[in-house]
Amino acid sequence: EVQLVESGGALVQPGGSLRLSCAASGFSFSTSSMNWVRQTPGKGLEWVSYIGSGGRTIHYADSVKGRFIISRDNAKNSLYLQMNSLRDEDTAIYYCASARGSNWDWGQGTLVTVSS
Amino acid sequence: DIQMTQSPSSLSASVGDRVTITCRASQSISSYLNWYQQKPGKAPKLLIYAASTLQSGVPSGFSGSGSGTDFTLTISSLQPEDFVTYYCQQSYTTPYTFGQGTKLEIK
Repeated sequence: EVQLVESGGALVQPGGSLRLSCAASGFSFSTSSMNWVRQTPGKGLEWVSYIGSGGRTIHYADSVKGRFIISRDNAKNSLYLQMNSLRDEDTAIYYCASARGSNWDWGQGTLVTVSS
Repeated sequence: DIQMTQSPSSLSASVGDRVTITCRASQSISSYLNWYQQKPGKAPKLLIYAASTLQSGVPSGFSGSGSGTDFTLTISSLQPEDFVTYYCQQSYTTPYTFGQGTKLEIK
């Protein structure tokens, strides 16, 4: 069974930094591309970032480009999102999602709140 | 960016009804279209991937169709637990984009 467990969400002040982690199990993590997707409370879903299975292909949404860094450690079956220069509008639930072809599995999410 | 336009944004129906939700892409996405169900306080759950492939464990009352720019999700006979929110998503190219959601409400 695919399991994705996010952690690291917290209350942080504007301009601050936070690192999210996602622990994966139950599938071949090293051969799967991974994504971060966020959801603003009460609103819709926004894709944030993608990383290929080998970690060399990376894409970001324009809204986070230059501020967020996605990375992975295939030896530890883990995905990360380093979030810098956080803004109020980054407040959201952050989900990690594995993509095996068109088949996506999602974690339960971790809440990030940016507020002074 | 590819825009995903989902309709309707809300839908009132009764238990046992057959309903259809539509998703239109601003350009062709072949069959790279996923459908999700989201219950309050929970993560989205994949129902359909590659436009028409039922995810393992999903009831057969759910079905998807379409290719190119026009797609549909059909629920053949609504059950009480189906009255939640549904999203489409294109996985053709980044930025991966989602429809704005359809909230199913009990009439």
